[in-house]
Amino acid sequence: GAGVSQSPSNKVTEKGKDVELRCDPISGHTALYWYRQSLGQGLEFLIYFQGNSAPDKSGLPSDRFSAERTGGSVSTLTIQRTQQEDSAVYLCASSLRLAGFADTQYFGPGTRLTVL
Amino acid sequence: AQSVTQLGSHVSVSEGALVLLRCNYSSSVPPYLFWYVQYPNQGLQLLLKYTTGATLVKGINGFEAEFKKSETSFHLTKPSAHMSDAAEYFCAVRDNDYKLSFGAGTTVTVRA
Repeated sequence: GAGVSQSPSNKVTEKGKDVELRCDPISGHTALYWYRQSLGQGLEFLIYFQGNSAPDKSGLPSDRFSAERTGGSVSTLTIQRTQQEDSAVYLCASSLRLAGFADTQYFGPGTRLTVL
Repeated sequence: AQSVTQLGSHVSVSEGALVLLRCNYSSSVPPYLFWYVQYPNQGLQLLLKYTTGATLVKGINGFEAEFKKSETSFHLTKPSAHMSDAAEYFCAVRDNDYKLSFGAGTTVTVRA
């Protein structure tokens, strides 16, 4: 595909359940990013991958959140024991990682997570 | 850390009128600045970006922005609004070599 894809587009879960959110970056993009968009907090950075490694996990809000990336491509964001405050739109982005910080992050359509 | 302030959470303009969305940033290093647009139930789409060079940056859909270092601003403009410009607009600054820090967003409504 031409762009970043995310699945599912919508996820409704019960409090306490685990959820997995998937991101397929643009082919050839070595960098992958997760952001969260919520009414109260706006757009927040969660985690960044370069290849399969995550140099910066500082944005993950708690130890219930984890993410992995395999084969330098697909990434999965996992939220364990979901809480109502986890309800948000989770956005994934990817980029080529050009030198000089000039690269553009291309965003997927997001996964809307609702925790009941 | 760098930060972004967008003045005005909602802007309403008439079709054909000027669109002006304000963005101010704080940065201790030369900034990389971006404007993204988000249509309902969609992801973020890049409108334009400033990295180095010319301070007036032209983007897609007739938008442009001017980087003013002395004012620490990167305001977004479009001379003539179209109904299709109704969306939410986000200003962002590159926080380091990977993280974007976003403003709170400005929702634009276009009146017929």
